[in-house]
Amino acid sequence: GQQLNQSPQSMFIQEGEDVSMNCTSSSIFNTWLWYKQEPGEGPVLLIALYKAGELTSNGRLTAQFGITRKDSFLNISASIPSDVGIYFCAGLYDNFGNEKLTFGTGTRLTIIP
Amino acid sequence: EAGVTQFPSHSVIEKGQTVTLRCDPISGHDNLYWYRRVMGKEIKFLLHFVKESKQDESGMPNNRFLAERTGGTYSTLKVQPAELEDSGVYFCASSRRHGSEYNEQFFGPGTRLTVL
Repeated sequence: GQQLNQSPQSMFIQEGEDVSMNCTSSSIFNTWLWYKQEPGEGPVLLIALYKAGELTSNGRLTAQFGITRKDSFLNISASIPSDVGIYFCAGLYDNFGNEKLTFGTGTRLTIIP
Repeated sequence: EAGVTQFPSHSVIEKGQTVTLRCDPISGHDNLYWYRRVMGKEIKFLLHFVKESKQDESGMPNNRFLAERTGGTYSTLKVQPAELEDSGVYFCASSRRHGSEYNEQFFGPGTRLTVL
């Protein structure tokens, strides 16, 4: 089946630093998504990308859909304590009728005081 | 609008026992999904309901897992008999009918299942 390689697995940064994480796949996706999970909660959608090459921002978050449709990255600028959590990339191949998501393994973000 | 709810939040059972997880989707959402995250690994798709029909159950690990969605509202996922490798967090998600772009899947908080 399809697999997503997400890196890094974990990050320890200081407040105010920028963060970058990415996902690569051996197969193409039509849609790339970035989710964030906080303790005791389910994943929450941060950004959705629909076209190859698309660059989308949501506040301090910026994500891009790779040209090859096999990769995506997420950047967080000027990190703050509430950014702590696990970030998951997810790919969707077929938007019509078959919407099962393929997730990466997650990037755990920890902010050092 | 209430979000997706799941019950119980935690379940600890012994190998060989049966456990039933419940998911209540957002009202009006026809699509309901089950996913599972085994510790440290990716969140994996289990199955997809459209109303009461199983659209895709390709992710179900084996026949010890049975999912139902009678009446097209809430769904249950039963594991019988449970094995050690079934431990993990089970997420439910729901979304509206199909549209032109991705129909956002809203996730519940998950049920953490521990099989001893």
